[in-house]
Amino acid sequence: DGGITQSPKYLFRKEGQNVTLSCEQNLNHDAMYWYRQDPGQGLRLIYYSQIVNDFQKGDIAEGYSVSREKKESFPLTVTSAQKNPTAFYLCASSIVWQANQPQHFGDGTRLSIL
Amino acid sequence: SQQGEEDPQALSIQEGENATMNCSYKTSINNLQWYRQNSGRGLVHLILIRSNEREKHSGRLRVTLDTSKKSSSLLITASRAADTASYFCATDASNNNDMRFGAGTRLTVKP
Repeated sequence: DGGITQSPKYLFRKEGQNVTLSCEQNLNHDAMYWYRQDPGQGLRLIYYSQIVNDFQKGDIAEGYSVSREKKESFPLTVTSAQKNPTAFYLCASSIVWQANQPQHFGDGTRLSIL
Repeated sequence: SQQGEEDPQALSIQEGENATMNCSYKTSINNLQWYRQNSGRGLVHLILIRSNEREKHSGRLRVTLDTSKKSSSLLITASRAADTASYFCATDASNNNDMRFGAGTRLTVKP
């Protein structure tokens, strides 16, 4: 079955530590996205990638970094510069980067501070 | 920046009743999408409606769009306990492809 796999499901970060969240898709989608969701709130866009080797900042990119070296992979690094990283992180993909395309989501990674 | 805002924030109904959720937005759009999120899971796409459409159906779901009022509604008919979830609208801005999600409506369907 095609889909998006996020790992790990739960992640803990120590002060001053960078952590990387994995996102892999086998849907052959060009576009991929990272969102942050805080309790009881909507999704905020961190970064998106229209195509391999390209990525753009979203609304809340500070303290985060991404890479898109392969079409199927879009890892997110939460750096020590992100002072409030505790949140639910969702990765998504779509066939192309167009607003008339549905996004397919993984089941998220919950990040907490130790 | 958030484009769509859902109303109400929370809704509790009995199984078999209809559930109506609303989404309002500020700027002109090309597309509006509705998604469902079960607790602790990712979002699932439900339906897309374009700015030149007024109504779409998918099974027990009915979505309407009123561009003059900058609002959309999602109606779930004959609700089931399994419909318990948060429902989000997502809109673009007519001059770009960026989608923005609202804060969602938390629906509880009591058996």
